[in-house]
Amino acid sequence: KAGVTQTPRYLIKTRGQQVTLSCSPISGHRSVSWYQQTPGQGLQFLFEYFSETQRNKGNFPGRFSGRQFSNSRSEMNVSTLELGDSALYLCASSRSSSTAEQYFGPGTRLTVT
Amino acid sequence: QKEVEQNSGPLSVPEGAIASLNCTYSDRGSQSFFWYRQYSGKSPELIMFIYSNGDKEDGRFTAQLNKASQYVSLLIRDSQPSDSATYLCAVGEGGSEKLVFGKGTKLTVNP
Repeated sequence: KAGVTQTPRYLIKTRGQQVTLSCSPISGHRSVSWYQQTPGQGLQFLFEYFSETQRNKGNFPGRFSGRQFSNSRSEMNVSTLELGDSALYLCASSRSSSTAEQYFGPGTRLTVT
Repeated sequence: QKEVEQNSGPLSVPEGAIASLNCTYSDRGSQSFFWYRQYSGKSPELIMFIYSNGDKEDGRFTAQLNKASQYVSLLIRDSQPSDSATYLCAVGEGGSEKLVFGKGTKLTVNP
């Protein structure tokens, strides 16, 4: 069974630009969660989608948004990038919810210059 | 904001020893508990999950949960150099359906 895939794997953007990251969950998994990982803050929850609906949201500004499609694939978007947005962005999928067993993708390493 | 606390380490053990990793959490309503292993430059990998008080064993790994003390631990028996990684404890917040991660404990197993 294929695991969670994320594209692109690496991205370099300039302050003020926007970026869209993509995640394809494990087949049959309907819950997709997004996390930001930085050395200082660790893994922080961004949001979770289930059946195309955002069920939960972490404490991030409105510049961070996401969506989920009918095939459970998900995208997250960050607008007006700031230097502090440089991080590893991880997507995780689960059969039912973000508090059940989640499996992570390889992540997208975003660098903002 | 509910918290999950782990000793940051580093924890260093000799090959063949038992490594003990600990985690405490603040939300009494938490119902699900996970241990992830993260190698440097890689994404977290789920290695254990536990939902009920007591012990759960899987190969060389044992997860222990004590809800009364709000404490969860991971024991790694017969530690191998390949176990050297950062171990993340994650707790499912009661009611909010959010998974809260600790900042991880770095484990080094010395040959």
